[in-house]
Amino acid sequence: NAGVTQTPKFRILKIGQSMTLQCTQDMNHNYMYWYRQDPGMGLKLIYYSVGAGITDKGEVPNGYNVSRSTTEDFPLRLELAAPSQTSVYFCASSREVFAEAFFGQGTRLTVV
Amino acid sequence: KQEVTQIPAALSVPEGENLVLNCSFTDSAIYNLQWFRQDPGKGLTSLLLIQSSQREQTSGRLNASLDKSSGRSTLYIAASQPGDSATYLCAVGGQGAQKLVFGQGTRLTINP
Repeated sequence: NAGVTQTPKFRILKIGQSMTLQCTQDMNHNYMYWYRQDPGMGLKLIYYSVGAGITDKGEVPNGYNVSRSTTEDFPLRLELAAPSQTSVYFCASSREVFAEAFFGQGTRLTVV
Repeated sequence: KQEVTQIPAALSVPEGENLVLNCSFTDSAIYNLQWFRQDPGKGLTSLLLIQSSQREQTSGRLNASLDKSSGRSTLYIAASQPGDSATYLCAVGGQGAQKLVFGQGTRLTINP
């Protein structure tokens, strides 16, 4: 009963490096989301997907890219990492657009 | 633009007390509202989801109410326990929007 799985849990990047945050869900949900959470702030939506092959920008998409080739996987790509991308990243999924949302455990990213 | 506010940012109460957490939102045209729990270093766990047509939802010692016209929701926790210590976030789903808008959360501490 895995739910939403994110890897890695922690990562330190140097400025200018790139990386991919992995997210996979085993609930056959169509809707998947990437959020970032900064200290003392609510979650902000980076990108979302309503199904395989369909993605769209959220509130804070700059510096990120996503793809959705399968229902299960929704990776988030960071290109040219910047200190402003230091944050905790959460992947989530839901069966329908506003059904109960299930979250992964998060990836804590530090850019130095 | 929908804005969600949770006050207070932090709350500390003795074990056994009943308590209320508050959530307010600026646009009453919402699809639903969810309450989440977040433990330190963990992801979010959905506690209760209230559809816009509902007034309240209950799960065990938790009761969430929704008043769309006044833009408010409350989460009532009965007979609080130290295990209830966590950050509680509310999120509203707006009609026509493909995302949840989160409040900043209330950090709750239950003292034994």
